[in-house]
Amino acid sequence: EPEVTQTPSHQVTQMGQEVILRCVPISNHLYFYWYRQILGQKVEFLVSFYNNEISEKSEIFDDQFSVERPDGSNFTLKIRSTKLEDSAMYFCASKEVNTVTYNEQFFGPGTRLTVL
Amino acid sequence: KQEVTQIPAALSVPEGENLVLNCSFTDSAIYNLQWFRQDPGKGLTSLLLIQSSQREQTSGRLNASLDKSSGRSTLYIAASQPGDSATYLCAVYGGSQGNLIFGKGTKLSVKP
Repeated sequence: EPEVTQTPSHQVTQMGQEVILRCVPISNHLYFYWYRQILGQKVEFLVSFYNNEISEKSEIFDDQFSVERPDGSNFTLKIRSTKLEDSAMYFCASKEVNTVTYNEQFFGPGTRLTVL
Repeated sequence: KQEVTQIPAALSVPEGENLVLNCSFTDSAIYNLQWFRQDPGKGLTSLLLIQSSQREQTSGRLNASLDKSSGRSTLYIAASQPGDSATYLCAVYGGSQGNLIFGKGTKLSVKP
């Protein structure tokens, strides 16, 4: 069964460093998302991406964040200069279509980012 | 602004018991609602998606209901098993591109 994959599973970085989190969505899906979950807190929406551009973003997704679909399969989240409070589990999700009657999103296993 | 609340935050039951997890949302103008399971340190596994026009959805021992007018959904788990132990998350669809708004989850522990 097709699934969303994410690499790496765990990334440790120093404060101020740049990190790139990678995702491979399900192949026929058209909509892509990043969410994050700080330990013990809710899963929060960061950004949605469709047709090679950002379609929606939350207030968390500031200028330090960027997303890209560099080729036909990968979807990346870049954090330019990491802060301690960026430590979280980052989830990628994808879905096939965007209709009001069918909207199931499929999530990857997550990347645990630890900023020291 | 849409808020999703899940009660209880934690629940411990003996094996074999039937149980209900609750989810409430403040804005009834939702498209769909999705229930997930999350094991410790792991990703989110989709359990059930209820479309806004539906009142319930079933998968195996799981049954989810949706009452948009009252802003509530329930997840019913029949004949619970230790393998059902996990955190169960409820999420509603908001935004034009269908981003999910999550509750904090109910941590379920099923004792053998």
